[in-house]
This record gives sequence, C-alpha cells and structure tokens, in this order.
Amino acid sequence: DAGITQSPRYKITETGRQVTLMCHQTWSHSYMFWYRQDLGHGLRLIYYSAAADITDKGEVPDGYVVSRSKTENFPLTLESATRSQTSVYFCASWTGGKPNTGELFFGEGSRLTVL
Amino acid sequence: AQKITQTQPGMFVQEKEAVTLDCTYDTSDQSYGLFWYKQPSSGEMIFLIYQGSYDEQNATEGRYSLNFQKARKSANLVISASQLGDSAMYFCAMSLLLTGGGNKLTFGTGTQLKVEL
Repeated sequence: DAGITQSPRYKITETGRQVTLMCHQTWSHSYMFWYRQDLGHGLRLIYYSAAADITDKGEVPDGYVVSRSKTENFPLTLESATRSQTSVYFCASWTGGKPNTGELFFGEGSRLTVL
Repeated sequence: AQKITQTQPGMFVQEKEAVTLDCTYDTSDQSYGLFWYKQPSSGEMIFLIYQGSYDEQNATEGRYSLNFQKARKSANLVISASQLGDSAMYFCAMSLLLTGGGNKLTFGTGTQLKVEL
C-alpha cells in the first residue's frame, strides 16, 4: 500500500535501552521528518532529512540519532532511552512543489513508553 | 524564530453551528504557508487546508475555511455546520523554507474541539 508506515506502533522499553523506530515511505519524497507529540507542546521537530545521507537537527534533537541510507527509509534511534522520551512519534514526508506549498503526510504514529 | 500560537486549549460547539479556532503566527519571512491538521482520537494526522502568504483569497475546502488576516498575523480555521465527527484535536502549522527548497512545519499546541448534540 502506498503511504508512510511506522513500526512498531507501540513499544514499551526500559530506561537506558536502545530503541529504533522505523519509517518507510513509498512515494520517494525527498524530505522526511520525525516529530514527537506531547500534551501541551503540540508536535515538535526532532530531525529531518532532505535526501539520502542528508540529515539535520530540528528543535529537540538531543538523545536521538537518525540515518537515511535509502530515500524510502528514515529510522529514528534513541540510543539510551529516558523517561522524558515517552511520547508519540510521528514520521512524515513532504510532497514537494513550490516553496511553502505542498503537504506533509504523516505515518500513523509510534507510541513509546519508557519505564 | 517562527512561532505558532493557539490560545484555546479546548472548545465546545453545538452540532450544526459554526466554530472558529484561533491561530496566530510570528515570522519575519515574507513567503510562508499556513496549514491546519485534524487529529481524531484514533491518532492519525489529517491535512485540512492550506493558505499561502501571497494568496489574496481565503482558502476554502468544503466546510473548512481559513480566515487569513495577514496584517494581524492570524490564520483562524472556521468550521461551518459542525458535525459530531468534527470532535478532534486541531493543529495550526506554519511552513519554513529550508535550504535546498524543502519545507518544515512548526506546529501550535493544538485546540481540542468537542461537538455536542
């Protein structure tokens, strides 16, 4: 099916463990993003990628690592999970077009709980 | 720095009535885009409507319209004839042009809308 898929959808882990959230898109969009959603904060940008092997920090990158070896995949890794990283994580891709147009398509979200 | 402000954490509206969700923004860019997304309780993010900073007409998409007042830096979402299915969290967002031509969105904190019978 076309679109963005995230896995796992739900994950419970313990403090200090490494966790990787996967994101796969079928459109070949150049730009991909990782956001986290927390009550009272809306969605905040963690990292984004302009193309394969090009990534950059967003507003809240500390504690996260990303990679993009292929256009369609954009995994997010928490190298040593902390309780403050308990959140819902959304992967998204940008449709492109003229500057400041287009649309951001979101995956279904991954709910992560760090105990 | 860009900022989006949604001052209404929660709103109630009666079915079939119109409702306005407020959004103000701050940017020094001349070119930007304004977006509204809906997030129902199931959690997915649904794109509703878009307004470009140079668009002179207010955007409309079915029952959704965006009341764009550039001088006041506001981009309020108007939902006409509310339905029970409109109960959801609504996010206002603004695009920032990235080096290389892409866009990233900055989101507000959201407004929880509840439609009542």
